Amino acid sequence: DTAVSQTPKYLVTQMGNDKSIKCEQNLGHDTMYWYKQDSKKFLKIMFSYNNKELIINETVPNRFSPKSPDKAHLNLHINSLELGDSAVYFCASSQERRGVDNEQFFGPGTRLTVL
Amino acid sequence: EDQVTQSPEALRLQEGESSSLNCSYTVSGLRGLFWYRQDPGKGPEFLFTLYSAGEEKEKERLKATLTKKESFLHITAPKPEDSATYLCQTHDKLIFGTGTRLQVFP
Repeated sequence: DTAVSQTPKYLVTQMGNDKSIKCEQNLGHDTMYWYKQDSKKFLKIMFSYNNKELIINETVPNRFSPKSPDKAHLNLHINSLELGDSAVYFCASSQERRGVDNEQFFGPGTRLTVL
Repeated sequence: EDQVTQSPEALRLQEGESSSLNCSYTVSGLRGLFWYRQDPGKGPEFLFTLYSAGEEKEKERLKATLTKKESFLHITAPKPEDSATYLCQTHDKLIFGTGTRLQVFP
């Protein structure tokens, strides 16, 4: 049973295109996240989201937007892709946003390459 | 500025050779820390959460400790399967450290 899954695993696209990455968790968690891991392997939070609150890292361009059709899904939409968007994107989930149970469970990652 | 720094950047150990990894931080209002392990091509995997200075957690060959300014991940008698990148992350602001890439040779 996969706890946090992402599709696609690899995504190759041209500059200027719009793309989406899907994320699903079957853990019954309340909070989901998107992270970006750059070429130097540095992981950075992009968004955290539950049904009450969306927290956006101020450094994330507004070309990136999370969309949650329901509690188990948090998709990442990216408009007008740029070369610098090339990275591995990880989805994660946790029981809470803060507090005792906020350790995160990560998906396998989506490697995005912008040509 | 909030910062989380890990050292060393890379560590090569012989099997059985114990060592420690460091995570130091300057984060306002820090409420605790996570430790994760990341294998190549995979997402981070949760190891420990630490909430207050003086707290310690253990799991097999790993022990994590927390002070007011830093955390240590002690690895006792490591095995090759412990090879991975180890990451610390602050609670609340979810800032990841720079990571320590550990290689354990038989």
